[in-house]
Formats: sequence, C-alpha cells, structure tokens
Amino acid sequence: GESVGLHLPTLSVQEGDNSIINCAYSNSASDYFIWYKQESGKGPQFIIDIRSNMDKRQGQRVTVLLNKTVKHLSLQIAATQPGDSAVYFCAENRPGATNKLIFGTGTLLAVQP
Amino acid sequence: DSGVTQTPKHLITATGQRVTLRCSPRSGDLSVYWYQQSLDQGLQFLIQYYNGEERAKGNILERFSAQQFPDLHSELNLSSLELGDSALYFCASSDRGGTEAFFGQGTRLTVV
Repeated sequence: GESVGLHLPTLSVQEGDNSIINCAYSNSASDYFIWYKQESGKGPQFIIDIRSNMDKRQGQRVTVLLNKTVKHLSLQIAATQPGDSAVYFCAENRPGATNKLIFGTGTLLAVQP
Repeated sequence: DSGVTQTPKHLITATGQRVTLRCSPRSGDLSVYWYQQSLDQGLQFLIQYYNGEERAKGNILERFSAQQFPDLHSELNLSSLELGDSALYFCASSDRGGTEAFFGQGTRLTVV
C-alpha cells in the first residue's frame, strides 16, 4: 500500500553530536521529497527538500541524502542543538494529477544537554 | 509564520455535533491540503483542493467534507463527531503540486 515509514521512532543524541534520521519510501515513482520539523504544539515546518534527480542536498547544518536504489532517504543534522528537539517527518510527492504529499510516521529527536 | 492561517486554534465540542474548520492559504497559493494528526501519530492526508476544485482524496471519512471558495480559503466540515475524531487538523498550501507545502498552526479539536 501507500506508505512512507521511518526506521527509528525515537532518536536520542548528545548536544553537539551529529544526528541521522532515516526514512524508507515505497513508491519508486515519487519524484520529490521533503523533510519537515514539528515542534510541540506547532505545525510542521519545512527544513529541506530534494528532487529525485539528485542524491544529495545541503542546507544550513542539514543534509539530505537520497538513495533511489533502495528507496531510502536520510536527514543529517550537524552539531545537534537543544532547539533541534522535535518530531521529524519525511514526505514524498506522488506525481500525477494530484501531486499530494504522503507523510511518514515521524521520528522524535531528543537532544540531551 | 508560514502565512497559512487556521481558525479556530482550539475547539471543544460534544459527540454528535458538527464543526467547521477554516483555512486561509498563503497569498497566491492555489492548492490547499487538509491533514489529520492524532496523538503521537503522523499526518494523515484527508483531501486536497486546487483552485476551487477537489483534486485528491485520502483517508477522509464520509462524515467529513471540505470545500475551497473563490477567494481560495477552505473549510473542513466535520459532522456526527465521535470521540475518535479528536485530533489536530492541519491545513497546508502550495502554489502548485510538486513543491513544498506550508502548514498552518493547526486546529486542536477535542470531542467530549
């Protein structure tokens, strides 16, 4: 069925360490992927995106890697800070007339001081 | 601030009642998406509108309906409410498909 799933529901890291959040997607036709961050009581906030013709994209302290062979997506956060504590969702865009975003179940990132 | 406005922020109502959630998309965005997020759950896609027309349906119950008006704001109508409908309801907008969607702050619905 349609699904985008995450390997780890909870990730605990020390402040200053690098974090890696993983995501598996099921539809090989998906052409666009986004990582969102959701803090408690707030709506999801865009972090970084990547199109299927790329395998890596870097932002400020964040890097997204896309492996289309195994349908895997990861978000790397460098020098994790307490403010990074949140739930992170990956989303895939199913192309076609609807272009709707399908979200994964989320990973809770807990940054320990 | 994402530019997407949702009202009300909180809503408490009784089982069997009907409520309407409202969403104003970012200026210029033609697509509006509705998502449901239950406690500790991911975002479940409900429905999408594009320039006033329904584009896609997800796991939306028959008791729920939505529409997008000529000024592009959207409303999500939830009727015959049940306890299990308690959730956060998010609206998102984008200028077209295949791009990032910007989310509102959500409406927290509590059915008692």
